[in-house]
Amino acid sequence: AQSVTQPDIHITVSEGASLELRCNYSYGATPYLFWYVQSPGQGLQLLLKYFSGDTLVQGIKGFEAEFKRSQSSFNLRKPSVHWSDAAEYFCAVGAGGYSTLTFGKGTMLLVSP
Amino acid sequence: NAGVTQTPKFRVLKTGQSMTLLCAQDMNHEYMYWYRQDPGMGLRLIHYSVGEGTTAKGEVPDGYNVSRLKKQNFLLGLESAAPSQTSVYFCASSYLGTDTQYFGPGTRLTVL
Repeated sequence: AQSVTQPDIHITVSEGASLELRCNYSYGATPYLFWYVQSPGQGLQLLLKYFSGDTLVQGIKGFEAEFKRSQSSFNLRKPSVHWSDAAEYFCAVGAGGYSTLTFGKGTMLLVSP
Repeated sequence: NAGVTQTPKFRVLKTGQSMTLLCAQDMNHEYMYWYRQDPGMGLRLIHYSVGEGTTAKGEVPDGYNVSRLKKQNFLLGLESAAPSQTSVYFCASSYLGTDTQYFGPGTRLTVL
């Protein structure tokens, strides 16, 4: 069975600074990987996903993530954070085919002025 | 195109009462899911469905039942609510199991 670890429960970043949110997964084969964002009181919205091919994937709102098989990681990055990026971010992994997704516990991003 | 909708948005129940949460999607998706979200626990899958008339258990199915009589609707039932079921419930849908999941806005349920 697959699993996901997001080591950081909370992260605070100054507005304009760069951001990296960590995600480590456990799965034997090539996983399907996702990052979702949840604004307060809202449902989850897809930021980006990796299925195969180029290991650096671009998403919405200026986010990108890099799949590193050797490190079992799929970290989310943004070069310059905006106050509107404050939200909770979830990494998810799937095994392909008819399997379901497993979500991490989330990382809450706080943006300071 | 409404995407995924959930009713109701808020509900307060007393212990032992029953209720049904309704999820509807207009994207012709095969897969539908019910999750619960609790602080520090992320999203946990309760039940899911891979098509009309089929359902399957997820990670935390106890105390819940589901039905998928129509492709566009997925119902989550609580037969005898308990305080441990106080949570925010999210419905989602996708074309296949590992496709992008589209989420509803959530239902905040409090069981007293």
